[in-house]
Amino acid sequence: EVQLVQSGAEVKKPGESLKISCKGSGYSFTSYWIGWVRQMPGKGLEWMGIIYPGDSDTRYSPSFQGQVTISADKSISTAYLQWSSLKASDTAMYYCVRRPYSSSWYYPYWGQGTLVTVSS
Amino acid sequence: QSALTQPRSVSGSPGQSVTISCTGTSSDVGGYNYVSWYQQHPGKAPKLMIYDVSKRPSGVPDRFSGSKSGNTASLTISGLQAEDEADYYCCSYAGSYTPHVVFGGGTKLTVL
Repeated sequence: EVQLVQSGAEVKKPGESLKISCKGSGYSFTSYWIGWVRQMPGKGLEWMGIIYPGDSDTRYSPSFQGQVTISADKSISTAYLQWSSLKASDTAMYYCVRRPYSSSWYYPYWGQGTLVTVSS
Repeated sequence: QSALTQPRSVSGSPGQSVTISCTGTSSDVGGYNYVSWYQQHPGKAPKLMIYDVSKRPSGVPDRFSGSKSGNTASLTISGLQAEDEADYYCCSYAGSYTPHVVFGGGTKLTVL
């Protein structure tokens, strides 16, 4: 069974750094793209970017390029979403997602979400 | 790439049918048969309900159906049930340049 398990909720102050994680299991982690989706409070879903853990090929939405860093450690089947300097506007729920295969463009697999709260 | 356009809210009584529209452009919805729909209950992760415009994953009731005409996709829920009350998001592939995927703004379905 494919599972994506994310790290727990975080409360941070503006300017702090943060790295949240998404651990994949039940499949070959290096063979499938992992993506990240943001959901700000009371708002819709936004596609942030994806990474292919096999070779760390990473693609970002222009809206998020330079704002976050997506990475992966294939030795522990874990993808990451990282901020170097958080802003209050980064407060949101973040989901990791996976497509069933590389040529498909839908997401049957979602992590449970990681709530990030940035407040002074 | 702008978000796809969905109505903010729709409503229907139990047993009725409702349709949620999702309007994009020829660069996303109209250009590919890769529209998907997600149901999200409060405090839960989204759940895939329809993929590739009209296909249903295993376990999704056949009351849920999808279609597309031009740049507009639609999700129809027939025989409304109380548990269908949720937010619904459409999603479309948007080409080989990022963002590869765009979502709609979401529609709140209220079962009266």
